Amino acid sequence: DTEVTQTPKHLVMGMTNKKSLKCEQHMGHRAMYWYKQKAKKPPELMFVYSYEKLSINESVPSRFSPECPNSSLLNLHLHALQPEDSALYLCASSPDHYEQYFGPGTRLTVT
Amino acid sequence: QKEVEQNSGPLSVPEGAIASLNCTYSDRGSQSFFWYRQYSGKSPELIMSIYSNGDKEDGRFTAQLNKASQYVSLLIRDSQPSDSATYLCAAESGSARQLTFGSGTQLTVLP
Repeated sequence: DTEVTQTPKHLVMGMTNKKSLKCEQHMGHRAMYWYKQKAKKPPELMFVYSYEKLSINESVPSRFSPECPNSSLLNLHLHALQPEDSALYLCASSPDHYEQYFGPGTRLTVT
Repeated sequence: QKEVEQNSGPLSVPEGAIASLNCTYSDRGSQSFFWYRQYSGKSPELIMSIYSNGDKEDGRFTAQLNKASQYVSLLIRDSQPSDSATYLCAAESGSARQLTFGSGTQLTVLP
């Protein structure tokens, strides 16, 4: 079973809103990732969590705030986003920092 | 800067033909390489991983790795219209073994 789930599937938010994206996996994977993907571009790494600790932050603006409450759950808190932040947000997990398995993504539109 | 480059597409092949997708990488320290398939509007799906020089076969897919030439390829035999998608090459590198993705090659298999 290589299932990573993400909610919501779609999200529309205004620039003054606060919202959160959720990612869950029950495969015992110890590494979890957030990526951002714009149309016709490859995924861009945002954050890496290893054993529930933030190990990589790829210079992401502070309006994106990750959280890893436990080994199965990863959140991405959003606040004061800009229209250019509209994208597909992907979560991935990995058992060993090698093969990464992606969730279905959340399509975010900022109005 | 670590880079992964893929042959520019789009690539069209007739049904039943062999599709050949190529990728080069710049970081000689990379040890693990992956091919993801991404259908339009969907998230990337891991289809092949390769760690050693040579060929690795899985059904109609064959991944090839040549570390001396820093070259990875994916062959799809007996291509089907359902193989039409964007194929992303990724190389692992860095302290957290994060993935660097190529820009992707869009493959169309013509019935």
